[in-house]
Amino acid sequence: DAGVIQSPRHEVTEMGQEVTLRCKPISGHNSLFWYRQTMMRGLELLIYFNNNVPIDDSGMPEDRFSAKMPNASFSTLKIQPSEPRDSAVYFCASSNRDWGPEAFFGQGTRLTVV
Amino acid sequence: AQSVSQHNHHVILSEAASLELGCNYSYGGTVNLFWYVQYPGQHLQLLLKYFSGDPLVKGIKGFEAEFIKSKFSFNLRKPSVQWSDTAEYFCAVNAAGGSYIPTFGRGTSLIVHP
Repeated sequence: DAGVIQSPRHEVTEMGQEVTLRCKPISGHNSLFWYRQTMMRGLELLIYFNNNVPIDDSGMPEDRFSAKMPNASFSTLKIQPSEPRDSAVYFCASSNRDWGPEAFFGQGTRLTVV
Repeated sequence: AQSVSQHNHHVILSEAASLELGCNYSYGGTVNLFWYVQYPGQHLQLLLKYFSGDPLVKGIKGFEAEFIKSKFSFNLRKPSVQWSDTAEYFCAVNAAGGSYIPTFGRGTSLIVHP
């Protein structure tokens, strides 16, 4: 398996623009997590999906952030409009508790908003 | 909800020195415990995990960790570090029997001098 695949790896955008981050979980995994990593806050859980349904989105910082999972093999995290303080590395992770308790992480998307 | 505390934020060692990174968690129920490693510019990779059985678990690259339930601890150890172990180390916990959402500590930055 190719692992969790995220795109793009790097994104530089101007303040106010819409940004869409993409994630393909490991095939067969039914849980998907979006995390944000910054120096100040470390790794923060943004949202958790189980069987494509958002279960916990309490970590989504503002209404500017939204996430979808239209099917078991694809998820998006959208920021509209983007702000400089959104600059961070965004990680997607997936798991299947029937296979083991651990989550597997993608390579991350480094977002820079100027 | 669970939480994780990593006491050492920055550790600097010389090659061949022994390593121990502290991790304590807070949760009243049964947990699964993990250590992840993040090499510079890369994603999080699983070093080792504990979910049942022998509380002393061995992972990749010579790392091991011991789960001490009475102390709510899961410290990471390596008898002799190498320059290539320079990385960020994250302790994580999820609730066994729950949603399996990983909660991460703030991380420990390890620098190994050759």
